[in-house]
Amino acid sequence: GENVEQHPSTLSVQEGDSAVIKCTYSDSASNYFPWYKQELGKRPQLIIDIRSNVGEKKDQRIAVTLNKTAKHFSLHITETQPEDSAVYFCAALPGTALIFGKGTTLSVSS
Amino acid sequence: DVKVTQSSRYLVKRTGEKVFLECVQDMDHENMFWYRQDPGLGLRLIYFSYDVKMKEKGDIPEGYSVSREKKERFSLILESASTNQTSMYLCASTLGGIGNQPQHFGDGTRLSIL
Repeated sequence: GENVEQHPSTLSVQEGDSAVIKCTYSDSASNYFPWYKQELGKRPQLIIDIRSNVGEKKDQRIAVTLNKTAKHFSLHITETQPEDSAVYFCAALPGTALIFGKGTTLSVSS
Repeated sequence: DVKVTQSSRYLVKRTGEKVFLECVQDMDHENMFWYRQDPGLGLRLIYFSYDVKMKEKGDIPEGYSVSREKKERFSLILESASTNQTSMYLCASTLGGIGNQPQHFGDGTRLSIL
């Protein structure tokens, strides 16, 4: 079955710096790759997603890139702010159900 | 806006009890999912359902069962609760048909088994 690896598990940056989280997947049938942000005590919220026919997608300070050949995708956050501090999860969709990475705890210090 | 509602935010039960976790969605979604979330392990899929009375095992189905008698409701059942089932449980739903649709999550149920 699908296996999603996510790195790093923790990431600390200064406010204004960029943050990059990387994921790899194993099943070439996966065709959808969302990213979720989970603040402490809250539900995971979709922040951006990309489909397999697209290489890059941007939404303000957030961007996702996908390399289908290498089976990896990345989340880029620019000009980080303290409110970006949260746990971020990547996921891949090989069929009906999403398979998630183990998460990255991002801490942005001011 | 999609609303996924889990019946309890916090639940405390004893070992050996039969435990029911309920999830309801209001957007006529075909697919519903149960995950458990543990620190350092991410979200792991327990079971999912793609239609009424249909179910599929996820990665960690042992010790759990599910029920989907109505389209809007998906129940997770712990047949005989054990302490290693203490966890955060998250329900999610999504449209059926063609894949790559966003999943919408409930607020979660933090279950403690004593």
